[in-house]
Amino acid sequence: DAGVIQSPRHEVTEMGQEVTLRCKPISGHNSLFWYRQTMMRGLELLIYFNNNVPIDDSGMPEDRFSAKMPNASFSTLKIQPSEPRDSAVYFCASRGLTSGSYEQYFGPGTRLTVT
Amino acid sequence: RKEVEQDPGPFNVPEGATVAFNCTYSNSASQSFFWYRQDCRKEPKLLMSVYSSGNEDGRFTAQLNRASQYISLLIRDSKLSDSATYLCVVNHNTNAGKSTFGDGTTLTVKP
Repeated sequence: DAGVIQSPRHEVTEMGQEVTLRCKPISGHNSLFWYRQTMMRGLELLIYFNNNVPIDDSGMPEDRFSAKMPNASFSTLKIQPSEPRDSAVYFCASRGLTSGSYEQYFGPGTRLTVT
Repeated sequence: RKEVEQDPGPFNVPEGATVAFNCTYSNSASQSFFWYRQDCRKEPKLLMSVYSSGNEDGRFTAQLNRASQYISLLIRDSKLSDSATYLCVVNHNTNAGKSTFGDGTTLTVKP
């Protein structure tokens, strides 16, 4: 089975540029999560969706960040304009609520560097 | 106070040692609990779920104490390959399934 797919795996961009991160969840999963991880702040939940609907975006740092899930098999996280402090690893995770299971499965992450 | 707190670590142990990690959570309504493992520069991966009755998977044992609101992970006969960061995860089913991750405890197993 294909796991969670993220692209790109690495992104280096200059301050002020727009960055778009992509995620394809595991087929059949109905929840999708975006996380950011840094050494200083650990793993932070940015936003999550249930059945393509954003449920909790309280972790989104500011208006420069936006996330969409137009269908069950695709989501994007956009940063516009990007800043050096956005440099981090961004993980996407998905979850299927079969049998009341709440385990999340993570993608390999996108390592973002903003110079 | 953080919603999920873990032993600060790091833990440095010799091969073959037994090591235990604890994790406390503040939300008494929490209902699902997990341990994840994260290797350096990799994504977190599910290690095991934690059930009320406690559960074991090979050298790993997880336990839940709802009264004291903590979960634990015991690793017996540790291997070099067990070196990783272990993340405690608590799920709040009442909030449409939002999960909260601890900051992780780093384990280094040395020869």
